[in-house]
Amino acid sequence: GESVGLHLPTLSVQEGDNSIINCAYSNSASDYFIWYKQESGKGPQFIIDIRSNMDKRQGQRVTVLLNKTVKHLSLQIAATQPGDSAVYFCAENIRFGTASKLTFGTGTRLQVTL
Amino acid sequence: NAGVTQTPKFQVLKTGQSMTLQCAQDMNHEYMSWYRQDPGMGLRLIHYSVGAGITDQGEVPNGYNVSRSTTEDFPLRLLSAAPSQTSVYFCASSYTRGQAFFGQGTRLTVV
Repeated sequence: GESVGLHLPTLSVQEGDNSIINCAYSNSASDYFIWYKQESGKGPQFIIDIRSNMDKRQGQRVTVLLNKTVKHLSLQIAATQPGDSAVYFCAENIRFGTASKLTFGTGTRLQVTL
Repeated sequence: NAGVTQTPKFQVLKTGQSMTLQCAQDMNHEYMSWYRQDPGMGLRLIHYSVGAGITDQGEVPNGYNVSRSTTEDFPLRLLSAAPSQTSVYFCASSYTRGQAFFGQGTRLTVV
């Protein structure tokens, strides 16, 4: 069936380096994608989103890239900090009528080493 | 502005008991949803609502009921708790299309 998934379950990055978290999606009807960060014991927190009419979107230290040809999404974190340690989820938003539904991947754990 | 508030934060139930997980948002969002999060499975949609009086099933609705009598509140009812319902439950709200805001979660254990 249609699904959103992640390539790497755990990513270990040294403090100060850049992090890249990848996500594959399979639903061609999805036209909006979101990255969430979830710290231990907390709910998912919005990081950045991108619509399918865009290839790239930048925020503060984060960049999301969308490659619709291969149905691939990535989150880049510049100058990774210890506070970036968390589980990161990509989600695709599928609209049907006036409603929309988020489908999440299984998550990637980012570990920042000192 | 509290955002999305879930209660309780922790709950232990015996098999067969019923209970209601509460969710309230103060952002006047039309769209609200309930997810459960299990290890290695990400977040799975249980039920959602596109406005007061309108609810629908998500991926894993069995064993759960919802209602939406007001824009602000979206309670999730477990009719007869089972150990398979041990999970962390998240409520989320959003405008019809856009980023979802999540509550802090309810950790439920069914023994």
